[in-house]
Amino acid sequence: QSALTQPRSVSGSPGQSVTISCTGTSSDIGGYNFVSWYQQHPGKAPKLMIYDVRKRPSGVPDRFSGSKSGNTASLTISGLQPEDEADYYCCSYGGSYHLAIFGGGTKLTVL
Amino acid sequence: EVQLVESGGGLVQPGESLRLSCAVSGFTFSSHAMIWVRQAPGKGLEWISYIRPATDTIYYADSVKGRFTISTDDAKNSLSLQMNSLRVEDTGVYFCARDHGSSWASFAYWGQGSLVTVSS
Repeated sequence: QSALTQPRSVSGSPGQSVTISCTGTSSDIGGYNFVSWYQQHPGKAPKLMIYDVRKRPSGVPDRFSGSKSGNTASLTISGLQPEDEADYYCCSYGGSYHLAIFGGGTKLTVL
Repeated sequence: EVQLVESGGGLVQPGESLRLSCAVSGFTFSSHAMIWVRQAPGKGLEWISYIRPATDTIYYADSVKGRFTISTDDAKNSLSLQMNSLRVEDTGVYFCARDHGSSWASFAYWGQGSLVTVSS
C-alpha cells in the first residue's frame, strides 16, 4: 500500500490559519474513520494531535482540528503560533495488514 | 506518568543482527497495543510492526516481514524488536509507541527513539 499524499510544505503568518491535506484511497482514508495527525519537531518523537479524524487528545489546543471528505483528510491549524512550526504527518488505518499508513509529511513554516 | 524508553541501537554491518528494547511504565502493559515505527534520515515515518499482547495479535510491514520479530516480556514490562539480516535501508531512528485506547492507527505515547545504522 502506498504512502498517503501530503504537500511537502505549507506556510502562514502568526495568527493566520493553514490547512494540510492528506489524500489516500477508499482502502484507507475513505474506508475507515481512523485518521490521525502527528506533530514532530526536529530531533523529537512525534506527538499525537488528532485521532479518529477529528478528536483531540487531552492537552492539545483547540486551534487544531481535523476533518475528512471522501479519500482526503485535512488538518487545520488556526491562530498560528511560532511553536506550531514543525513537520506534520497524517496516518490512516488500512486494514489488518496495513495498520498504519503514514503520509510523507508536511513542513509547516510560520513566517 | 506513561513512559517509554528505547535502547539497543547502534552501528552494525549489513547482514548482522540487532535487538531493540522498549521499557515501559505508567500503564498496564498487557492491556495496550504497541508498535515500532522507524524514520530514515531526513525521511517520513514508517510503521514496521504491531503487537497486541491481550490477543497475541502480531503484524509486520512487508519491508521487514521474515527478518524482524516483535515480542513482549510482561514480567519486565518490555517490548522488543529482534532485527536480523539487516540492510542498509533499515538505517534510521526506531520509535516504540503505545496505542490511544481502542482506536486504530492512533499512538498517544512515544519513546525518544533509538538510532540504528547499517553500514559497511
